[in-house]
Amino acid sequence: DSGVTQTPKHLITATGQRVTLRCSPRSGDLSVYWYQQSLDQGLQFLIQYYNGEERAKGNILERFSAQQFPDLHSELNLSSLELGDSALYFCASSVDPGSYEQYFGPGTRLTVT
Amino acid sequence: SQQGEEDPQALSIQEGENATMNCSYKTSINNLQWYRQNSGRGLVHLILIRSNEREKHSGRLRVTLDTSKKSSSLLITASRAADTASYFCATDRGYNFNKFYFGSGTKLNVKP
Repeated sequence: DSGVTQTPKHLITATGQRVTLRCSPRSGDLSVYWYQQSLDQGLQFLIQYYNGEERAKGNILERFSAQQFPDLHSELNLSSLELGDSALYFCASSVDPGSYEQYFGPGTRLTVT
Repeated sequence: SQQGEEDPQALSIQEGENATMNCSYKTSINNLQWYRQNSGRGLVHLILIRSNEREKHSGRLRVTLDTSKKSSSLLITASRAADTASYFCATDRGYNFNKFYFGSGTKLNVKP
């Protein structure tokens, strides 16, 4: 158990819908990362927050957005969902946004039908 | 494009044998990390090696880093069936260590 929690574990929704994925980092970790893992794209870095502020952006679509709240939990919002958005979405946390190891949550499996 | 790429894509060995996986990357880095992922589960951090280090050990794991060749290798000695998993290297880019890039992974199958 990494100490990072993600909810829900599974999510099935239809194209065009909007969903919110939630992540609680390990106690004491200020930095949160979001990743998308699909069969054809591998593990893609989406976005990083540190202490409530966006620190780095990766391959995140404009239909996706995220935020980190004062209590340090983070939410990833996915809208206008497409079949290709079906994937595992992982949240990870670390103490520092620099060169520290990341601790991954169990992931949310999103299926868009 | 991905910063790190693992080689081979898949590896099948017998229990007790050693497993070696390689990772190549394109730009300068601050550090390189190796992670393990059991099927459909979250990644687990194995080891981090900084750009000024050449070799690091952790239990049955040995990681080397050659910055001149922009490559790293992960050696798992005396493999066990429980080592069956996908292994990923992750790098940051030297000028922006906030972003981490994962390779496509090596699928290791250790047969009992």
